Amino acid sequence: ELKVEQNPLFLSMQEGKNYTIYCNYSTTSDRLYWYRQDPGKSLESLFVLLSNGAVKQEGRLMASLDTKARLSTLHITAAVHDLSATYFCAVARALTGTASKLTFGTGTRLQVTL
Amino acid sequence: ETGVTQSPTHLIKTRGQQVTLRCSSQSGHNTVSWYQQALGQGPQFIFQYYREEENGRGNFPPRFSGLQFPNYSSELNVNALELDDSALYLCASSPFHLRTGRGFYGYTFGSGTRLTVV
Repeated sequence: ELKVEQNPLFLSMQEGKNYTIYCNYSTTSDRLYWYRQDPGKSLESLFVLLSNGAVKQEGRLMASLDTKARLSTLHITAAVHDLSATYFCAVARALTGTASKLTFGTGTRLQVTL
Repeated sequence: ETGVTQSPTHLIKTRGQQVTLRCSSQSGHNTVSWYQQALGQGPQFIFQYYREEENGRGNFPPRFSGLQFPNYSSELNVNALELDDSALYLCASSPFHLRTGRGFYGYTFGSGTRLTVV
C-alpha cells in the first residue's frame, strides 16, 4: 500500500527566511502533486511533477522531484504572511487502465510570523 | 471555462440518515473522483467515475455509492450515516483521453461540501 509522509507537520516560519517541506513516498509513481489549502477551503493546485529531476517554480515556491529517492521537496524562499496555509503533497497511482487515484500526505501547516 | 462546482456547501444530518452530494465537473473533463477529508487530515480517495461507471474505489464501505451522468456531473450518496462520516467531501474532475491513455495530469477540485453528522 502506498504511503506518503510529509515533514514537518507544522512549521512556524519567520518572514524573510527560507524553509523546506519534505514529502517521502513508499512506491514508484510517475506523478507528484503539491496543493495548498486555506482553512475551510478546497485544494489549490500548485505544481505537478512528472519526471525525475523535475523542478518547477512559482513565485516564492519551488518544488522538485527525485523519483529514485522517492522524495519531493517544496522550498519556500523569503517567506511572507500570504504563504500561511496547509500544504499537501499527493502521489498518483494507476488503479486500472482508465482509473487513477491520489494518495495524500498528512499535510504541513505553515504559519508565517513577523 | 467554469471550474468544479459542488452543492450544497454545508449540510447537517442525523446519524442513520442518507445524504446526496452533487458535483459538476469542469468543462472538458470526463472523469470525476470523490475524496473525503476528515478534520486535520489529508483527503482520502473514495471512488472515481468514467463513462458513467465506477472504475476505481478506495477503502470505503458499500454504503458509499455514486453516479455519473452523461454530462459528466456526479453524485455521491452515503447511506446509514455514522458520526465518523463528518468531513469535507471534495470532488475532483480531470480529463482522460482513452485513445492516447493520457490524462489525470490536471485534477481540478471543487470547493467541497462540509457534512456534519450529529
